[in-house]
Amino acid sequence: QKEVEQNSGPLSVPEGAIASLNCTYSDRVSQSFFWYRQYSGKSPELIMSIYSNGDKEDGRFTAQLNKASQYVSLLIRDSQPSDSATYLCAVNRGSGGGADGLTFGKGTHLIIQP
Amino acid sequence: DADVTQTPRNRITKTGKRIMLECSQTKGHDRMYWYRQDPGLGLRLIYYSFDVKDINKGEISDGYSVSRQAQAKFSLSLESAIPNQTALYFCATSDTTGAREAFFGQGTRLTVV
Repeated sequence: QKEVEQNSGPLSVPEGAIASLNCTYSDRVSQSFFWYRQYSGKSPELIMSIYSNGDKEDGRFTAQLNKASQYVSLLIRDSQPSDSATYLCAVNRGSGGGADGLTFGKGTHLIIQP
Repeated sequence: DADVTQTPRNRITKTGKRIMLECSQTKGHDRMYWYRQDPGLGLRLIYYSFDVKDINKGEISDGYSVSRQAQAKFSLSLESAIPNQTALYFCATSDTTGAREAFFGQGTRLTVV
């Protein structure tokens, strides 16, 4: 069973600080990694995708991938109260066996304190 | 208008009833998915479809069936609803090529009493 693990939180971060969210995955052959943001009662919204080892930056968001350690992280710089949400880490199920779709972690609840 | 539209948005039904959740998309994607979300369990894949003729079971397909009526339409049925199927259901789409990022509908909150 492929697994994606996240600390459920809540993670509390002061406004303006850097929020660091972490995720580990069990399937070594996974190729695609995603971070989604989900507000309570709303649908998941894609904020970052990453496929290669290293860092990928988009505005205030940086995704980091380390395939050797099977570890994905998301950094949010200059955190804003509007960043308060649950962040879902997702990994593609397909790895050559024909499967498709995403395996999600249970999410980290992030609270940005004004 | 949303690119991925789910109907109904909310539904309360009785145990043993048949219910269908519908999803339509205007993104032109070939791949469509149904997920359910439960508190503390995260999102889990129920079924997915590569195209109209290709439907596959996900992690938790028991008690569910699907129909891909067209490239743009993918419906989920509960033949005989039971209370532990109470959950938030999401339809999603992704492209066949490229990044395979999933785009989600607004969700259907289903309560089985």
